Amino acid sequence: NAGVTQTPKFQVLKTGQSMTLQCAQDMNHNSMYWYRQDPGMGLRLIYYSASEGTTDKGEVPNGYNVSRLNKREFSLRLESAAPSQTSVYFCASSWGLAGGNTGELFFGEGSRLTVL
Amino acid sequence: AQSVTQLGSHVSVSEGALVLLRCNYSSSVPPYLFWYVQYPNQGLQLLLKYTTGATLVKGINGFEAEFKKSETSFHLTKPSAHMSDAAEYFCAVSGPNRKLIWGLGTSLAVNP
Repeated sequence: NAGVTQTPKFQVLKTGQSMTLQCAQDMNHNSMYWYRQDPGMGLRLIYYSASEGTTDKGEVPNGYNVSRLNKREFSLRLESAAPSQTSVYFCASSWGLAGGNTGELFFGEGSRLTVL
Repeated sequence: AQSVTQLGSHVSVSEGALVLLRCNYSSSVPPYLFWYVQYPNQGLQLLLKYTTGATLVKGINGFEAEFKKSETSFHLTKPSAHMSDAAEYFCAVSGPNRKLIWGLGTSLAVNP
């Protein structure tokens, strides 16, 4: 059972470089999310996709773009990385928005990004 | 609007002692409430949830939480801490707009 798979797990970038974080889920979930986690700030939602074909901004979307490639895959792109984007990024998925009736989100193991 | 406050960013207990992690919420409608756990270098996983019905809910690894509407609280407890319980714990609330609002997390340390 793979669940939610994120790649890469670690990445070091220089300021101004671009990169894409990949996320795939094999649970046939409708909704997918990208969060960032920073010390003392908890989880902050960057973007989410309620269903295939839709994406919406979360709390902190600036500097990021997303693509819901198909039902399984949801990628996060940093077009011009900045040191403030140094963080741990988590992808999550769920049956319905905010977990639907079960309320459960399933998380990947995280991608640790450092921007120098 | 919903909000979540976790009291205490760091909690330290001795092995075998009671674990109590506090969570208070605000919500204009009956909330769905959740506790998630994050072990070191891992993603979050659901520990337990309250949606409707019984106000005392049991989760994995011996944890439980009680929904107290009058106190707007959903505190997480475990009678006897184990070393393996050391982790970050997040409380979250889901409201009518179907968005999850997260607390800032409480880091639990368990001392031998």
